[in-house]
Amino acid sequence: NAGVTQTPKFQVLKTGQSMTLQCAQDMNHEYMSWYRQDPGMGLRLIHYSVGAGITDQGEVPNGYNVSRSTTEDFPLRLLSAAPSQTSVYFCASSYSGALNTIYFGEGSWLTVV
Amino acid sequence: DAKTTQPTSMDCAEGRAANLPCNHSTISGNEYVYWYRQIHSQGPQYIIHGLKNNETNEMASLIITEDRKSSTLILPHATLRDTAVYYCIVRVRGGAQKLVFGQGTRLTINP
Repeated sequence: NAGVTQTPKFQVLKTGQSMTLQCAQDMNHEYMSWYRQDPGMGLRLIHYSVGAGITDQGEVPNGYNVSRSTTEDFPLRLLSAAPSQTSVYFCASSYSGALNTIYFGEGSWLTVV
Repeated sequence: DAKTTQPTSMDCAEGRAANLPCNHSTISGNEYVYWYRQIHSQGPQYIIHGLKNNETNEMASLIITEDRKSSTLILPHATLRDTAVYYCIVRVRGGAQKLVFGQGTRLTINP
């Protein structure tokens, strides 16, 4: 049981490049989500999914796309990277329903130059 | 989800109890109080949650006032490994993954 796994852990992109941050969980969780954390700030929700085939926007969705083709995977795509997207990205997952503790991955550090 | 207010930073001596306050005066009747912590450069870690009764687990205790407008997270015997940023979050039970993080309290445990 690996929990929530994110790759890559570190990435440097040039402005305008696109890339995908991968997130996988092996706990059969229905809910998955992506947060970003800027220096000295709390986490902010980008996108989330309540199950395979269903996604929705969070607080800061612009510049990001997601899809949920399987229960296990929830990739985050940066369409055209901008310096403002330099941040640490965290993927999270949980069961649906009551008492749903949310488990976080270890983070992906992204720098856009 | 209701907004929370926490002190920016706190210090505590190793071995002593660390008491972290949180104000959530606009909390609704169906909102739970959750606590997470984030140790440097790691993903947030769940600590405890509660609705209106005091709760205790292997990591901490949560004391919620009778009017539910504030709560206190208690780490009974703080260790150096408890140095982290602690987030108090209120959210609807069973709600989608819409945790709203404030800036949290940076707790430093001193030897």
